[in-house]
Amino acid sequence: DAKTTQPPSMDCAEGRAANLPCNHSTISGNEYVYWYRQIHSQGPQYIIHGLKNNETNEMASLIITEDRKSSTLILPHATLRDTAVYYCIVRAQETSGSRLTFGEGTQLTVNP
Amino acid sequence: GAVVSQHPSWVICKSGTSVKIECRSLDFQATTMFWYRQFPKQSLMLMATSNEGSKATYEQGVEKDKFLINHASLTLSTLTVTSAHPEDSSFYICSARVAGVPREFFGPGTRLTVL
Repeated sequence: DAKTTQPPSMDCAEGRAANLPCNHSTISGNEYVYWYRQIHSQGPQYIIHGLKNNETNEMASLIITEDRKSSTLILPHATLRDTAVYYCIVRAQETSGSRLTFGEGTQLTVNP
Repeated sequence: GAVVSQHPSWVICKSGTSVKIECRSLDFQATTMFWYRQFPKQSLMLMATSNEGSKATYEQGVEKDKFLINHASLTLSTLTVTSAHPEDSSFYICSARVAGVPREFFGPGTRLTVL
């Protein structure tokens, strides 16, 4: 699976949009971009994933560049409960044994 | 839906004893379950992948005789830390996948402290 690079930490004001970047310059054509987050001392939580097109769900939006070498996770209106470590992961989707390789992620701190 | 539970949520044991951690998919049948370990201020490290009815596949550097994984049914996987030592103290997290669903569902984790 392709390696990802994320900033180690970011701050965001409550109510503002949080934009979390991820670089994955070696991504292959069949690899998806996944985002998970982990609130302190809890199991990771799935946020969103995509292949080429931008995706949006009730939690966030995922913007993938046209060359697919980078992406941005957008939390449109961050709340204090969004404080967590956010992991950007690239992996092939379909194989049931395909595993997630977690990097160091980005510690997002939402400030009041 | 798609809830994964772990039991216990935390456990303290003496050095040399064995500890069993259960991972259950409550409302679905999991084709594959994964076990992770997370040390303080570090990321999750995959320990092993298990499929129901077959032997687990361990990641490089993970001792299969020390971390016994049993995946006896489509809703239950267990991790047994044998002869635990203080360096095994960690946060153990399981996840489960369902065929056709392109993401994992994670359990809440088990905090193991070995004295």
